[in-house]
Amino acid sequence: EAGVVQSPRYKIIEKKQPVAFWCNPISGHNTLYWYLQNLGQGPELLIRYENEEAVDDSQLPKDRFSAERLKGVDSTLKIQPAELGDSAVYLCASSLDTAASTDTQYFGPGTRLTVL
Amino acid sequence: DAKTTQPPSMDCAEGRAANLPCNHSTISGNEYVYWYRQIHSQGPQYIIHGLKNNETNEMASLIITEDRKSSTLILPHATLRDTAVYYCIVRVPGGGADGLTFGKGTHLIIQP
Repeated sequence: EAGVVQSPRYKIIEKKQPVAFWCNPISGHNTLYWYLQNLGQGPELLIRYENEEAVDDSQLPKDRFSAERLKGVDSTLKIQPAELGDSAVYLCASSLDTAASTDTQYFGPGTRLTVL
Repeated sequence: DAKTTQPPSMDCAEGRAANLPCNHSTISGNEYVYWYRQIHSQGPQYIIHGLKNNETNEMASLIITEDRKSSTLILPHATLRDTAVYYCIVRVPGGGADGLTFGKGTHLIIQP
């Protein structure tokens, strides 16, 4: 069974440019998460989707970050414009759903963003 | 979620058991202890979780003290591939399905 797929794995851009990250969750997983991981720190939640609905986006900096999960499968996270401080690893995770017995999260390999 | 305290780093010889401690003195009665690990350049990987009884799976064992204020993750026969950052997280499973709250974890280094 394929795991969570993310692309690109690496991205280098200049500040003020836009960037987008793509995530394909495990087939059948209804819940999708985007996390941000700064160097030397643990991941931090940005947004959570239940199917196509964003149910927790309180940690998403909405002035420059946006996300979508059309049709409740793939998801895209966008930054526009990117700032130097956005350099980090962006992780996507999915879980079957949010029930107690099936909410184990499975992570993709992440996208490492470098803003110059 | 309750906070956890872990040592920043540990060493273990290859083939020996690696015992990773975690303190969670403010854990609530309905919170479970979860362990994830993150190998370099990969996303976090689920290892195991438990409430109060000891748990074992193909990857590791989890020992939770009777008062539930601390726990130990045991990798019985560590290999070089077990070198990673290990995160101890306490949370309510399915409790609104909050995102996982990661600390800084323990960087476990397996020595050949």
